[in-house]
Amino acid sequence: QSALTQPASVSGSPGQSITISCTGTSSDVGGYTYVSWYQQHPGKAPKLMIYDVNNRPSGVSNRFSGSKSGNTASLTISGLQAEDEADYYCSSYSPSSTQYVFGTGTKVTVL
Amino acid sequence: HITLKESGPTLVKPTQTLTLTCTFSGFSLIASGAGVGWIRQPPGKALEWLALVYWDDNKRYSPSLKSRLTITKDTSKNQVVLTMTNMDPVDTATYYCAHNYDIFNYFDFWGQGTRVTVSS
Repeated sequence: QSALTQPASVSGSPGQSITISCTGTSSDVGGYTYVSWYQQHPGKAPKLMIYDVNNRPSGVSNRFSGSKSGNTASLTISGLQAEDEADYYCSSYSPSSTQYVFGTGTKVTVL
Repeated sequence: HITLKESGPTLVKPTQTLTLTCTFSGFSLIASGAGVGWIRQPPGKALEWLALVYWDDNKRYSPSLKSRLTITKDTSKNQVVLTMTNMDPVDTATYYCAHNYDIFNYFDFWGQGTRVTVSS
């Protein structure tokens, strides 16, 4: 399975909204609702931010939201804050292949 | 409160076998549905899923690395062990273990990671 495709970088000013895309195929992102998103600050372990396309774990700010259309999933960060500056990775699980695949990663910069 | 911690060598030579241990607490791999996975991240690069073992000893491997990987669990020690054979410099990475649940399909708790360098 090939890595899911994400833009290398996305930037925005504080208070703005940004959206990160994650493109796969009908065998992974497009075929199921098993898309998750992870935030990773430099030198730290990834942190689960969104699961099953649009669900937030307890404790994650409601400024983070997810969606999906066809083979592309998206993560939107609204009211951008300095602490949101990090790398973000999408991931998809395929029950048919029982495989996980991660995205190429997106660096979010807060201007 | 779920925690995981990776341990193993920081330096291995090319062609050697890498053995990493994930020691966890806050859940049991005897409990129905529980799972532990391994994910790695080369310096400056993306995350890559490697393997996963479930409570019922069901195992999953990345197709591209399947021939080199073995994942096992020791429920008495609350540990999961990953071995990777024939190590190469391109395998230099931070290796993470993470908690999974077979009906959830995501990794909700992660260890801090352990850095492994492959060099002669």
